[in-house]
Amino acid sequence: GQNIDQPTEMTATEGAIVQINCTYQTSGFNGLFWYQQHAGEAPTFLSYNVLDGLEEKGRFSSFLSRSKGYSYLLLKELQMKDSASYLCAVLNSNYQLIWGAGTKLIIKP
Amino acid sequence: IAGITQAPTSQILAAGRRMTLRCTQDMRHNAMYWYRQDLGLGLRLIHYSNTAGTTGKGEVPDGYSVSRANTDDFPLTLASAVPSQTSVYFCASSAGVADHNEQFFGPGTRLTVL
Repeated sequence: GQNIDQPTEMTATEGAIVQINCTYQTSGFNGLFWYQQHAGEAPTFLSYNVLDGLEEKGRFSSFLSRSKGYSYLLLKELQMKDSASYLCAVLNSNYQLIWGAGTKLIIKP
Repeated sequence: IAGITQAPTSQILAAGRRMTLRCTQDMRHNAMYWYRQDLGLGLRLIHYSNTAGTTGKGEVPDGYSVSRANTDDFPLTLASAVPSQTSVYFCASSAGVADHNEQFFGPGTRLTVL
């Protein structure tokens, strides 16, 4: 079967750094996406990785290791508005996105 | 303003009724998708369309049908609604189906089947 695993919930402090991990087992691999979803809203695109290594985009970075089936999303200088769910998704060999259940990130002052 | 719209925003439906969820995009994207999102589960693909005139089944297609008569519209129909179809439904689109094409999501339809 295909599955994406990520922690259900994490808590962090405003101004700090948090790392959200994602492990995956899918039929084929054509890239890994991270999306942000605020409560009651639609998911919005954050990052895309297809090669091993780190992609940096402002306060957010995403890392991929294809050999380990592993990715993480790193959020720096946390702000209250970063409180949201973060969804990991893998594009499989059929070019369909397989989604994790999401990690709810709670930011405390 | 470019984007994806969905209608209705929310709906309460009696079991056994027929319902069509509407989705329209104005980005001229080739590919469109319907997902359902349930608490504790990831987004699950119901049906997809890689280009106008073609459709395919996703992970959870039973009880749902779609059509893609043109590029912009991708309606989802529940022929005879059941309580297990209570969910939040998201429509999405992407320029193509290849690797780097991010999906853009509509605001969602919250459906309750009683």
